[in-house]
Amino acid sequence: DQQVKQNSPSLSVQEGRISILNCDYTNSMFDYFLWYKKYPAEGPTFLISISSIKDKNEDGRFTVFLNKSAKHLSLHIVPSQPGDSAVYFCAAINNDMRFGAGTRLTVKP
Amino acid sequence: NAGVTQTPKFQVLKTGQSMTLQCAQDMNHNSMYWYRQDPGMGLRLIYYSASEGTTDKGEVPNGYNVSRLNKREFSLRLESAAPSQTSVYFCASSEAVGGIGGYTFGSGTRLTVV
Repeated sequence: DQQVKQNSPSLSVQEGRISILNCDYTNSMFDYFLWYKKYPAEGPTFLISISSIKDKNEDGRFTVFLNKSAKHLSLHIVPSQPGDSAVYFCAAINNDMRFGAGTRLTVKP
Repeated sequence: NAGVTQTPKFQVLKTGQSMTLQCAQDMNHNSMYWYRQDPGMGLRLIYYSASEGTTDKGEVPNGYNVSRLNKREFSLRLESAAPSQTSVYFCASSEAVGGIGGYTFGSGTRLTVV
């Protein structure tokens, strides 16, 4: 029973454009959400997070939006760069951390 | 700064063999975790240790055992490996259980059971 879902396995965007990665969750008890980035042959690295009491958190080119009523969050990357090409995992916390299946982002020069 | 170190990086086992995956962190974190990553499944929690001396089951604990040897080290043992345990295993640590500040992950162990 996957409580955190990333329904798009892959996304391709042009350099300089916006990348939008989506994530849905089913457990209303989740109170903290995170995004991780993963390059091949490396472990995931923490990117950005948001508390359930907020609806937006921004860090440089990365912004996470949370819509609690829809149980949906998204990660916006503006502008996208080729170095952003990686797998992005959405995660949610309620006692422990649950991960989505990941979305592979490819940013084309 | 080493962060989280996992050994070995690669391993091939025969069905029924046993092995222990090692993990050590040098950040003085209290909590440590073992995840497995499978295609289309994301990362699934096997076991975690909220603090030294405690361990708890995660989503997929069957077939595994863990030991929190001290604050730095958290090992994962496969007593009798099965092909279904072919996966990439990640160890992670955080200052507190739940990891609101984010987890620090090791680079993974790619295990193949034949």
